[in-house]
Amino acid sequence: DVKVTQSSRYLVKRTGEKVFLECVQDMDHENMFWYRQDPGLGLRLIYFSYDVKMKEKGDIPEGYSVSREKKERFSLILESASTNQTSMYLCASSLHRQGEGNQPQHFGDGTRLSIL
Amino acid sequence: AQTVTQSQPEMSVQEAETVTLSCTYDTSENNYYLFWYKQPPSRQMILVIRQEAYKQQNATENRFSVNFQKAAKSFSLKISDSQLGDTAMYFCAYRGNAGNMLTFGGGTRLMVKP
Repeated sequence: DVKVTQSSRYLVKRTGEKVFLECVQDMDHENMFWYRQDPGLGLRLIYFSYDVKMKEKGDIPEGYSVSREKKERFSLILESASTNQTSMYLCASSLHRQGEGNQPQHFGDGTRLSIL
Repeated sequence: AQTVTQSQPEMSVQEAETVTLSCTYDTSENNYYLFWYKQPPSRQMILVIRQEAYKQQNATENRFSVNFQKAAKSFSLKISDSQLGDTAMYFCAYRGNAGNMLTFGGGTRLMVKP
């Protein structure tokens, strides 16, 4: 089974801090994603990476950056945390198969981040 | 941009009964992929069922089935013989033919009552 591991289940940080959320997958997936989940809004894509050192902005990239130095690891960075970034953050990965768009995304357990 | 709408924020059903969760989407593409994901309380999000738009036959996975109406851009999820373990948030998601990114609906919280 695919294992997507997020480094922290719960995290509390202060306004202005630089925050790192780490995600590791063990299935050699090309694609990795960071989402933010808020009540009533579903999941919104922050950033997406389809290869090492490659990234694309999602729907809400402002205030965030990402890093993918190794294929299995995808980091989300809050450059200067603000209270409106308090949320649940989900990491996901998927296989890339040309012409097979039905490949599912596999999710981690999520990190509930509180910015005080 | 594609949008996905789940019009029922919360639903409840008695154990062993059948429930249908609604999902509509907006797209100009002809070929695409649709998914239902389940997120149990404090647990990992998992795939429930998926449908390719070019397939006319509705997907089925055990007690879970979909009613895919392409012309109406509707993709509802039917859960038969509901079980307590079906209690979860359910998310409908869309992926276009060329991309890797999913667009999610706002979710439906389903409570199965004993």
